Amino acid sequence: EPEVTQTPSHQVTQMGQEVILRCVPISNHLYFYWYRQILGQKVEFLVSFYNNEISEKSEIFDDQFSVERPDGSNFTLKIRSTKLEDSAMYFCASSGWSGGLQETQYFGPGTRLLVL
Amino acid sequence: AQSVTQLDSHVSVSEGTPVLLRCNYSSSYSPSLFWYVQHPNKGLQLLLKYTSAATLVKGINGFEAEFKKSETSFHLTKPSAHMSDAAEYFCVVSAANTDKLIFGTGTRLQVFP
Repeated sequence: EPEVTQTPSHQVTQMGQEVILRCVPISNHLYFYWYRQILGQKVEFLVSFYNNEISEKSEIFDDQFSVERPDGSNFTLKIRSTKLEDSAMYFCASSGWSGGLQETQYFGPGTRLLVL
Repeated sequence: AQSVTQLDSHVSVSEGTPVLLRCNYSSSYSPSLFWYVQHPNKGLQLLLKYTSAATLVKGINGFEAEFKKSETSFHLTKPSAHMSDAAEYFCVVSAANTDKLIFGTGTRLQVFP
């Protein structure tokens, strides 16, 4: 069964450093998403991406964040200068679209980011 | 705005007994509703979804949920809990005119032998 994969599974970084989280969505999906879950809190939407551009972003997704689909398979989330409060589990998701309706979003296993 | 409220942060049941995880939603339109499960150190797995077809939705692993518009509820049930059901369960609603998902706070299900 196709699945979304994410690398790395865990990342530890120093405050102020740049990190890139990588995702490989399901191959025939066209819509890509990032969510995050701070420990003990809700899963929160960050950004959605379609046709090589951001379709929607949340208030959390400020100028420190960027997304890219550098090739036909990878989808990345970059945090330019990490802050302590960026420590969270980051989930990538992808979905198809059929008949004007969003199809189910399928999630990857997540990358746990710890900023020291 | 759309939102979901999961009424219990923790639920404990004995193996073989029924499971009920409660969820109420708020939406100004006919929503799509989902239940996702997260096992320890694993990703979010879709259990089932409601998209305005049958109000009783069957999912994987014997779970089902019933959409009740009059009660704005979408409770998750299973007739007989198994030890492997121990996990965090999230009730999720799709936001109006967007493709983002809005998550509830989660319910941690414990299953005792």
